Amino acid sequence: NAGVTQTPKFRILKIGQSMTLQCTQDMNHNYMYWYRQDPGMGLKLIYYSVGAGITDKGEVPNGYNVSRSTTEDFPLRLELAAPSQTSVYFCASRQGRGEKLFFGSGTQLSVL
Amino acid sequence: DAKTTQPPSMDCAEGRAANLPCNHSTISGNEYVYWYRQIHSQGPQYIIHGLKNNETNEMASLIITEDRKSSTLILPHATLRDTAVYYCIVRVHRWSWGKFQFGAGTQVVVTP
Repeated sequence: NAGVTQTPKFRILKIGQSMTLQCTQDMNHNYMYWYRQDPGMGLKLIYYSVGAGITDKGEVPNGYNVSRSTTEDFPLRLELAAPSQTSVYFCASRQGRGEKLFFGSGTQLSVL
Repeated sequence: DAKTTQPPSMDCAEGRAANLPCNHSTISGNEYVYWYRQIHSQGPQYIIHGLKNNETNEMASLIITEDRKSSTLILPHATLRDTAVYYCIVRVHRWSWGKFQFGAGTQVVVTP
């Protein structure tokens, strides 16, 4: 069982470039999440989804977009990368109303 | 979801019990207490959760006060591999409630 898989693991972007962080889970979980973690700080919720076709904003959604066309995939899109988006990005999923979160191994993104 | 307060850091000697406090004085009756930990550069890992009764699993014990305004996570015999940031989260269990937000956590350092 692969769990939650994130790609790529590392990426360097130039200011103004765009990219998509990929997240897929094979546990048939309804809920999926994107967090960012700046150095020495806690996790901040960017966007989340409660099922295919349904997404909502978290604490820090500006500069990002998401979509959820399938249960398995929840990609995060950066349209115009800025240095403030340099961070580690974690994707997570869970099954139901109160069950535990499963996290991916993260994507380290640098915007220079 | 109720706000939580945790000490920013604490040290623990290897082999001794580590007692991690969490204050959640505004918790409501249908909110659960969750604990996660994050070992350096990895995605957070679920530890335990509870509503009002004390809980124990293979990783830790969770003690919730009778008024539910605070809780303590106990690592019974801390090892060097328990060095991590520990997050206390309070949230409701609802199918429609997607958000799962993390605070700053407690940095625990286990020393030989």
